[in-house]
Amino acid sequence: DTAVSQTPKYLVTQMGNDKSIKCEQNLGHDTMYWYKQDSKKFLKIMFSYNNKELIINETVPNRFSPKSPDKAHLNLHINSLELGDSAVYFCASSLGGGNEQFFGPGTRLTVL
Amino acid sequence: GENVEQHPSTLSVQEGDSAVIKCTYSDSASNYFPWYKQELGKGPQLIIDIRSNVGEKKDQRIAVTLNKTAKHFSLHITETQPEDSAVYFCAASISTNAGKSTFGDGTTLTVKP
Repeated sequence: DTAVSQTPKYLVTQMGNDKSIKCEQNLGHDTMYWYKQDSKKFLKIMFSYNNKELIINETVPNRFSPKSPDKAHLNLHINSLELGDSAVYFCASSLGGGNEQFFGPGTRLTVL
Repeated sequence: GENVEQHPSTLSVQEGDSAVIKCTYSDSASNYFPWYKQELGKGPQLIIDIRSNVGEKKDQRIAVTLNKTAKHFSLHITETQPEDSAVYFCAASISTNAGKSTFGDGTTLTVKP
């Protein structure tokens, strides 16, 4: 049973396109996150949602728009993709701050 | 905001040796300190964590120590094995619903057989 799943695993697209990444967790957690991991492996938080409400938005361009239709899902939509958006994007979930985060397998986004 | 510094960025050891990774944090309100292991092509996975009311925690070959006064914590891996090779991340967070985990920049550990 997959705890945190993401689709797609790989995403290759042209500059200027719009794309979405989906995330689902079956752990019953209230809090979900999106992280960006660049080519140097640095892991930076982008967004955090608690009970479908946006809690953390870390200086992310407004081309990135998260959406949480329910507690088990947190999707990431990216408009007007740029070369610098190429990275691995990880979704994670937890019981809230101060608890273990469970990460998905990642989505490798390549913008050409 | 919280700032977490992690050292070293790369670490190479012989199989059977010990490995130590150190992190410092800036926000004295942080009270939860997890360590994650990321294997190639996978998401990070928790290997051990410690809360601020404890100074040391051990789980088989892995231990974490915390010095709240100095604001630093360390990961110790003894009797390293090739399968310990991975990227390790420390993090610091505050136990609230909106608590954000701030991650260190990662340490690439290579264990040579």
